[in-house]
Amino acid sequence: GAVVSQHPSWVICKSGTSVKIECRSLDFQATTMFWYRQFPKQSLMLMATSNEGSKATYEQGVEKDKFLINHASLTLSTLTVTSAHPEDSSFYICSAYRTSGSHEQYFGPGTRLTVT
Amino acid sequence: SQQGEEDPQALSIQEGENATMNCSYKTSINNLQWYRQNSGRGLVHLILIRSNEREKHSGRLRVTLDTSKKSSSLLITASRAADTASYFCATDRSNYKLTFGKGTLLTVNP
Repeated sequence: GAVVSQHPSWVICKSGTSVKIECRSLDFQATTMFWYRQFPKQSLMLMATSNEGSKATYEQGVEKDKFLINHASLTLSTLTVTSAHPEDSSFYICSAYRTSGSHEQYFGPGTRLTVT
Repeated sequence: SQQGEEDPQALSIQEGENATMNCSYKTSINNLQWYRQNSGRGLVHLILIRSNEREKHSGRLRVTLDTSKKSSSLLITASRAADTASYFCATDRSNYKLTFGKGTLLTVNP
């Protein structure tokens, strides 16, 4: 089956620093990827849609200057949390939409961010 | 806005019993999907049911969809301890964006 990886799987950073999370589709091309965040014991909330070769589209209430998304290739999207604060601590999950074959979305294993 | 709402929020059963989880949503959909998530891990896709389908089976899983009531149910038969996880429904309205429900935490006791 299709595989999506995320790196790192967990990261601890200090307040004020920036953190980059990578999402890769390992065996298929994905023109569209999605970024979600999940607080403990809560559901996933869609943050933004990452489009290869164009700007990301953000959901209402998500600060685009704080959560920078770059989708530079058909297999890689990155989410950079800028000037991180403790309230940004969360589980960030990406998904990649497979444009050929099954047309399913495949989720990465998630990245746990802790901001101290 | 949060679309899906699952109930119950938590369910505890004995191994071998069946587990039923329900999901309701508010707007029209292209399809509805069920996912499983083990604690602190990523999502595993279980099953997708399209808006023109009423029932779908996959192994021990049975999903129903009632678009008139805007609801779906997930039945896991003959549950196992390894089925312990959180289960989420997700609706796909358009552009493949998924809106997730709040989830049901299923605990299967050995």
